[in-house]
Amino acid sequence: DTAVSQTPKYLVTQMGNDKSIKCEQNLGHDTMYWYKQDSKKFLKIMFSYNNKELIINETVPNRFSPKSPDKAHLNLHINSLELGDSAVYFCASRRAGVTNEKLFFGSGTQLSVL
Amino acid sequence: QKEVEQNSGPLSVPEGAIASLNCTYSDRGSQSFFWYRQYSGKSPELIMFIYSNGDKEDGRFTAQLNKASQYVSLLIRDSQPSDSATYLCAVNGNSGYALNFGKGTSLLVTP
Repeated sequence: DTAVSQTPKYLVTQMGNDKSIKCEQNLGHDTMYWYKQDSKKFLKIMFSYNNKELIINETVPNRFSPKSPDKAHLNLHINSLELGDSAVYFCASRRAGVTNEKLFFGSGTQLSVL
Repeated sequence: QKEVEQNSGPLSVPEGAIASLNCTYSDRGSQSFFWYRQYSGKSPELIMFIYSNGDKEDGRFTAQLNKASQYVSLLIRDSQPSDSATYLCAVNGNSGYALNFGKGTSLLVTP
């Protein structure tokens, strides 16, 4: 069983479109994250949810909207896609309140905006 | 976002040598520190974490932490070509929620 699964793995779309990426974890974790990794491999945190509540919202355009219907799911919706949104988006999860706990990553979604 | 700095490399070492990867961080309240390895096209995977000053060893890997200098390093002994990857340093801040990553160091182990 995949611990953190995200879909789709590849997403190719035109500028201006709206798209969503879905993430699910079956580890029973309370905290989930979205990270963006650019072409230079910089992995930057975008959002974090703890038990369906938004706790981290880094400087991200408001075209990006995370949604957590329950603590096992954290989806990312992107409106009006721009060329600069092209990147790999990773979903991750870990147990809350345990600072030594590692992040479990999904396999990533490679988004290409044309 | 709190700063985590790494030399982007590439760091090239011959097979069998020791590879030394370094990381500095700006948040003095940081509590725990992680090294992830990422192969091209794959997701990051945890190699080690450390939270106390000093050294921590696991097989061929040794993590070193110096909180006074705000410095953490990873040593890879007997480097193998399969160790060629990008190594990401990550720091957990006071809040306990965010794990902030450096930009990664690309390591190339040549046969």
